[in-house]
Amino acid sequence: NAGVTQTPKFQVLKTGQSMTLQCAQDMNHEYMSWYRQDPGMGLRLIHYSVGAGITDQGEVPNGYNVSRSTTEDFPLRLLSAAPSQTSVYFCASTLGAPNYEQYFGPGTRLTVT
Amino acid sequence: QQQVKQSPQSLIVQKGGISIINCAYENTAFDYFPWYQQFPGKGPALLIAIRPDVSEKKEGRFTISFNKSAKQFSLHIMDSQPGDSATYFCAASMNTGFQKLVFGTGTRLLVSP
Repeated sequence: NAGVTQTPKFQVLKTGQSMTLQCAQDMNHEYMSWYRQDPGMGLRLIHYSVGAGITDQGEVPNGYNVSRSTTEDFPLRLLSAAPSQTSVYFCASTLGAPNYEQYFGPGTRLTVT
Repeated sequence: QQQVKQSPQSLIVQKGGISIINCAYENTAFDYFPWYQQFPGKGPALLIAIRPDVSEKKEGRFTISFNKSAKQFSLHIMDSQPGDSATYFCAASMNTGFQKLVFGTGTRLLVSP
């Protein structure tokens, strides 16, 4: 069991570029989510999915798109990168009730110049 | 709007001492309160969690104390060890289909040998 995997581990983008952060889980979890972590702000929910084909917005969705075509994969797309999107991005998955533990991936550190 | 306030921002404790981290929440609909531990370069991992029907939960050296009337909960680490040095996040969520975790801003704990 690899758990939750994320690629790439590090990425540098120029303002205006687009890219996709990959996330995959092999635990057959229905729920997946993306968070960003910024100093002094904790983790904030960007988007989440309650199953294949179903996604919804979290607290800070602007500038990001997601899709969920399979149970295993939940990519996060940055449409036009901005310096404000410099952050560490974490993908997480959870089985749901009654076990609410969220399993986090190792993160992607993104810098936008 | 910070719905979960965490303090202190950083904490230094001697080996063998007690580490205490506090959190306060505003939304009385929250009914799940986990603590996550994060080591540098890693994703957060669930440490311990509590629901508001109990006032205390203990797992090994880690204890959550919960005060529903004050809307506060805290993490106590007994006999703190250098290996406990990490960043700790409290969080809260409501009992809806997908548990949208609202995180505190984190506490960086350093246990000195």
